[in-house]
Amino acid sequence: GDSVTQMEGPVTLSEEAFLTINCTYTATGYPSLFWYVQYPGEGLQLLLKATKADDKGSNKGFEATYRKETTSFHLEKGSVQVSDSAVYFCALSAGTGTASKLTFGTGTRLQVTL
Amino acid sequence: GAVVSQHPSRVICKSGTSVKIECRSLDFQATTMFWYRQFPKQSLMLMATSNEGSKATYEQGVEKDKFLINHASLTLSTLTVTSAHPEDSSFYICSAIQPRSGNTIYFGEGSWLTVV
Repeated sequence: GDSVTQMEGPVTLSEEAFLTINCTYTATGYPSLFWYVQYPGEGLQLLLKATKADDKGSNKGFEATYRKETTSFHLEKGSVQVSDSAVYFCALSAGTGTASKLTFGTGTRLQVTL
Repeated sequence: GAVVSQHPSRVICKSGTSVKIECRSLDFQATTMFWYRQFPKQSLMLMATSNEGSKATYEQGVEKDKFLINHASLTLSTLTVTSAHPEDSSFYICSAIQPRSGNTIYFGEGSWLTVV
């Protein structure tokens, strides 16, 4: 079945450091890929997405590129801020078009310090 | 923007009792909602798909008689954990599809259930 593997946390970085959170997936067909973020006390929010190979999703300085050849969708940000501290979830949807059933990774907690 | 709200955010109940968790879409109508569960250091696992006005569709391995889902209106789905046991302690989170925004999925804040 479909699965998502992301790096274990927590990840602790100093402010302005470069961030990479690895995510790889296994799926049949051509899934859509997502990164969700959960800030403390809040629900998951869609951070960015990509629906086909070589697409790059970006939002709030975060980027991730859909790499079909390596089945990866790594999340990157050039300079993190304390306000980026949250839990980040990589996810896929095997449905076409709509993001209905999502398969999630375990989540990676990011802690950014001054 | 669209908001999905869950209540309660934290609940402690005694073993053998039932507990209800509500999921509301606050400013849109959601014909489809999803319920997930997350154990510590594990992925969010889909439990069931809740469809307004019809029976929920449960994922394999999820006991429908234990996890009762009711989606009686277009803005409310409820998850009732019946005869709760300590192993049911987990983080439960719902999501809802907003059709008007290209079927964007919005998540609730999640509910921590502790069964003692």
